[in-house]
Amino acid sequence: SQQGEEDPQALSIQEGENATMNCSYKTSINNLQWYRQNSGRGLVHLILIRSNEREKHSGRLRVTLDTSKKSSSLLITASRAADTASYFCATDEITQGGSEKLVFGKGTKLTVNP
Amino acid sequence: NAGVTQTPKFQVLKTGQSMTLQCAQDMNHNSMYWYRQDPGMGLRLIYYSASEGTTDKGEVPNGYNVSRLNKREFSLRLESAAPSQTSVYFCASTGTGWVEQYFGPGTRLTVT
Repeated sequence: SQQGEEDPQALSIQEGENATMNCSYKTSINNLQWYRQNSGRGLVHLILIRSNEREKHSGRLRVTLDTSKKSSSLLITASRAADTASYFCATDEITQGGSEKLVFGKGTKLTVNP
Repeated sequence: NAGVTQTPKFQVLKTGQSMTLQCAQDMNHNSMYWYRQDPGMGLRLIYYSASEGTTDKGEVPNGYNVSRLNKREFSLRLESAAPSQTSVYFCASTGTGWVEQYFGPGTRLTVT
């Protein structure tokens, strides 16, 4: 079953504006990741935040995590047309055998208009 | 390094035909995964292999089989394709102690 749910499903902004996407999940996690998928391509890892972290930055990306609310947000500042893509959150799940799986949300489709 | 490669890129099958999707990684990763992506559904895990010689079912394994041929290669087989298996299939891998997954470019499969 899918753990993460992104909100909104779609977001359209102008170049230079900030874009915020949210992710909610259901069970306890060790970490949460965000991935980007350009149209017709595979997913690319953007950033990982661990359950004991509240905020993390990477370039124009800022991720927050609120474990009490089981939610995370991804902020892209000063967006560019090249940021147009779908963005997915993924939470970890430990299997009975002890290996780690990722459970992906349905994604937010971001369009940045030039 | 090529990363994660998948073949073929596109495939059209008739209902009942069989085929094998190939995946290989050159990053010496232990774990490999097969996902399917359908519109509005995100990625769903079909099968995974935590290490060479082991495979386990994911969320949607019915209608599929897998083989972890060696550390590099992880194949996905459809024995009798059905229209419900029309999807984009992604292979991914990750190393021991890592959590970030590296994805292949995908195989777009249509079953008529």
